[in-house]
Amino acid sequence: QKEVEQDPGPLSVPEGAIVSLNCTYSNSAFQYFMWYRQYSRKGPELLMYTYSSGNKEDGRFTAQVDKSSKYISLFIRDSQPSDSATYLCAMSANTGNQFYFGTGTSLTVIP
Amino acid sequence: DAGITQSPRYKITETGRQVTLMCHQTWSHSYMFWYRQDLGHGLRLIYYSAAADITDKGEVPDGYVVSRSKTENFPLTLESATRSQTSVYFCASRQDAYGYTFGSGTRLTVV
Repeated sequence: QKEVEQDPGPLSVPEGAIVSLNCTYSNSAFQYFMWYRQYSRKGPELLMYTYSSGNKEDGRFTAQVDKSSKYISLFIRDSQPSDSATYLCAMSANTGNQFYFGTGTSLTVIP
Repeated sequence: DAGITQSPRYKITETGRQVTLMCHQTWSHSYMFWYRQDLGHGLRLIYYSAAADITDKGEVPDGYVVSRSKTENFPLTLESATRSQTSVYFCASRQDAYGYTFGSGTRLTVV
C-alpha cells in the first residue's frame, strides 16, 4: 500500500466552478501537509501548507486536514483557466523526514 | 538570480553511459533532494542531503550516486544509464519545516 493515495483524474470543470481535490494516507504519524501546483514541463511549486488538523485559507484556496480520517483536501473557489495544472499533495511526519507525495491530479478549467 | 538551477534541461544518452545531472541553489539551504517523476508513480525520492558531506538514500537509490562537497551544489550521477532511468529529475531544497523549492527539472532519455 502506498503511503499517500491521490486520484489522478483527469478532472475537467467549467470556469467559476468549485474544485475539490483529495488525498488519503496511511501513516498516522504524518502531521505536515502540503499542496503543490505543477504546470506542464515545470517544477512543482508550493501552494498551501498546514500543520496537524484544521483548515487554512489563502484567497481562493482552502486546505483541510482531517487526521481522524487520514484525509486531506484542497478546495479551489471560482476556478480560473490559469488554475489548470497538476496538483500534488505531500506530507511528512516531522521536519527532518522526507515528504511523501501523491501521484497528482490533473485539472483543466474550461473558459 | 536567487533560486535553484538544474542543468541540463534536456539530455539524451545511451545505455551504459555515465551521466551527471547538476543542481545549484543560491540560498544555502541545508537540505537538498533529488526526485524522479514518472507517470503513475508521482515523485519518488532518490537521495537527499542534510548538509555538506551528509547524504542518505531515499526510496529508489539503486543506480545513482550523489555527492555534496559544497552546500550549494548537489550533483546526481547515473553510473551506467539504463532505459528504466528515463524520467524527469527534480532537484529541491528546503529551508524550514514547510515545503520544498523545486528546480525546473531535467528531462532525461536513455536510448
